[in-house]
Amino acid sequence: NAGVTQTPKFQVLKTGQSMTLQCAQDMNHEYMSWYRQDPGMGLRLIHYSVGAGITDQGEVPNGYNVSRSTTEDFPLRLLSAAPSQTSVYFCASSYLRTGNYGYTFGSGTRLTVV
Amino acid sequence: RKEVEQDPGPFNVPEGATVAFNCTYSNSASQSFFWYRQDCRKEPKLLMSVYSSGNEDGRFTAQLNRASQYISLLIRDSKLSDSATYLCVVNKNNNDMRFGAGTRLTVKP
Repeated sequence: NAGVTQTPKFQVLKTGQSMTLQCAQDMNHEYMSWYRQDPGMGLRLIHYSVGAGITDQGEVPNGYNVSRSTTEDFPLRLLSAAPSQTSVYFCASSYLRTGNYGYTFGSGTRLTVV
Repeated sequence: RKEVEQDPGPFNVPEGATVAFNCTYSNSASQSFFWYRQDCRKEPKLLMSVYSSGNEDGRFTAQLNRASQYISLLIRDSKLSDSATYLCVVNKNNNDMRFGAGTRLTVKP
């Protein structure tokens, strides 16, 4: 099993550019989410989805859009990149009721906005 | 006040030492608790869940104190390979996980 696959691993954007971070999982997990990780801040939830066609905002949603057209895929779109969006982005998935199983994370995307 | 607070460290310990990390959380309604391990420039990986009765997995012991709203992780007989950042995670309500900023551990020969 591939688990959670994120692409690209690295990206440099200019301010104002848009891009999509891809996330796919092959574990038939209902729940998928996007986090960003900044030094000293811990992981912060951007958006999440509890199933195909259902998305919701997390703690820091501004400047990002998501969609969930299939169970497997959960892309994150940056609409107009800003330097404040320089971060490491992680996609995570789990069964809907996590219980004691926690999340499976992708390997991350390191994004720099210049 | 952060929802999940951890001492950032770093904790520098010799091989074979016992080291303990604590984590406090603010939401008394939190339902489940975890410790994750994150190696440098890698994704977080689940280390262990934390049960109300406490639980042990080899050299690792996790404890939960709901009354005082803290979670602990004890590592016995530290190995060089234990060097990592340890993240405390609290499930605020189903699927709303809140992460601490992490405690960095370096185990030295």
